[in-house]
Amino acid sequence: GAVVSQHPSRVICKSGTSVKIECRSLDFQATTMFWYRQFPKQSLMLMATSNEGSKATYEQGVEKDKFLINHASLTLSTLTVTSAHPEDSSFYICSAELAGGHRYQETQYFGPGTRLLVL
Amino acid sequence: KQEVTQIPAALSVPEGENLVLNCSFTDSAIYNLQWFRQDPGKGLTSLLLIQSSQREQTSGRLNASLDKSSGRSTLYIAASQPGDSATYLCAVRTKTSYDKVIFGPGTSLSVIP
Repeated sequence: GAVVSQHPSRVICKSGTSVKIECRSLDFQATTMFWYRQFPKQSLMLMATSNEGSKATYEQGVEKDKFLINHASLTLSTLTVTSAHPEDSSFYICSAELAGGHRYQETQYFGPGTRLLVL
Repeated sequence: KQEVTQIPAALSVPEGENLVLNCSFTDSAIYNLQWFRQDPGKGLTSLLLIQSSQREQTSGRLNASLDKSSGRSTLYIAASQPGDSATYLCAVRTKTSYDKVIFGPGTSLSVIP
């Protein structure tokens, strides 16, 4: 099946620093990638939709200047948490859709997640 | 606005039992519904995807049904095993709201040996 990787899997940083998380589709091209955030014992909340070659679409309440998303190629999207604070500590998960085909029939393939801890 | 709920929030059963997890959604205008499994501290594993035109999907001991008109889906797990212990999430891809995928809060399943 389609594989999505995330790097790093875990990161600890000091408050005020920026952290970049990579999401890669390893064996397929992804026109669209999604970024989710999951707080402990809660479900996934969509943060933004990332389309290759265009600006990301952010969900209401998500600061686009704080969570910078770059989808530079059909296999890579990055999420940068700028000036991270302790309240940004969370589990960040990306997903990717296969390019082409019947988009709305496609499943999303999820990465393993990145656990961010801001001290 | 699409809202997805799951009942029960937590479930503990002895090994070997058959069980049913429930998912409800408020907006029936969906493209598909998907069931996922999440182990503690891990990402998501897709279990079953049901298109809006379908009524059920089966994979091994898992069977998922979809009643779009009533806004319900069930995940049936036959002959449960301790390895089935995990959180199960349902997610709907909605036609409104820019075709987003909306997740339910999950059901935490514990299968006791």
